[in-house]
Amino acid sequence: ETGVTQSPTHLIKTRGQQVTLRCSSQSGHNTVSWYQQALGQGPQFIFQYYREEENGRGNFPPRFSGLQFPNYSSELNVNALELDDSALYLCASSLGTGINEQFFGPGTRLTVL
Amino acid sequence: AQSVTQLGSHVSVSEGALVLLRCNYSSSVPPYLFWYVQYPNQGLQLLLKYTSAATLVKGINGFEAEFKKSETSFHLTKPSAHMSDAAEYFCAVSVRTGANNLFFGTGTRLTVIP
Repeated sequence: ETGVTQSPTHLIKTRGQQVTLRCSSQSGHNTVSWYQQALGQGPQFIFQYYREEENGRGNFPPRFSGLQFPNYSSELNVNALELDDSALYLCASSLGTGINEQFFGPGTRLTVL
Repeated sequence: AQSVTQLGSHVSVSEGALVLLRCNYSSSVPPYLFWYVQYPNQGLQLLLKYTSAATLVKGINGFEAEFKKSETSFHLTKPSAHMSDAAEYFCAVSVRTGANNLFFGTGTRLTVIP
């Protein structure tokens, strides 16, 4: 059974650029959630996708967008990058939208210069 | 609205000593509560969760937590600290409706002194 994987591991961008982060969910999981973890902080919920539809969104601006594909993998897109977007981006997969365990990937470290 | 507060951003204990990491929650509806551990440069791993069954929850690696509604607390304990317990610990709350997103505290870094 393959766990949650994320790519790339690290990424450096400049302010104003756009970035796409990728996540492959654990086998059998149909729900993907994305979190932003700033340095020294706890993760903050960005949004969740369930069966290719957005199923909840945190307090993040529209320049944060996402997709979920038929194989349940997911992308997080961030446009017009700002310095404060520098963070560890975590993807978590789970089965359904009930209170089932979310399995986290290792994260993508994004640095915006 | 849901939130958690973790008292103490850094906790140091001696190897073999009791580990106590504090978490208080706020929720307008009955909550689900979680403790996660994060090792350097890794994602989060679930230690244990409370889902309204037994109030004393046992997790992995010898950790346990007790849900106390009257105190709105869900403190994490381990009787005897091991060097491998050194990590960042996060308390999180979720609710039973809508997306099962987690609201995390700011974390507590546990240092184990040999």
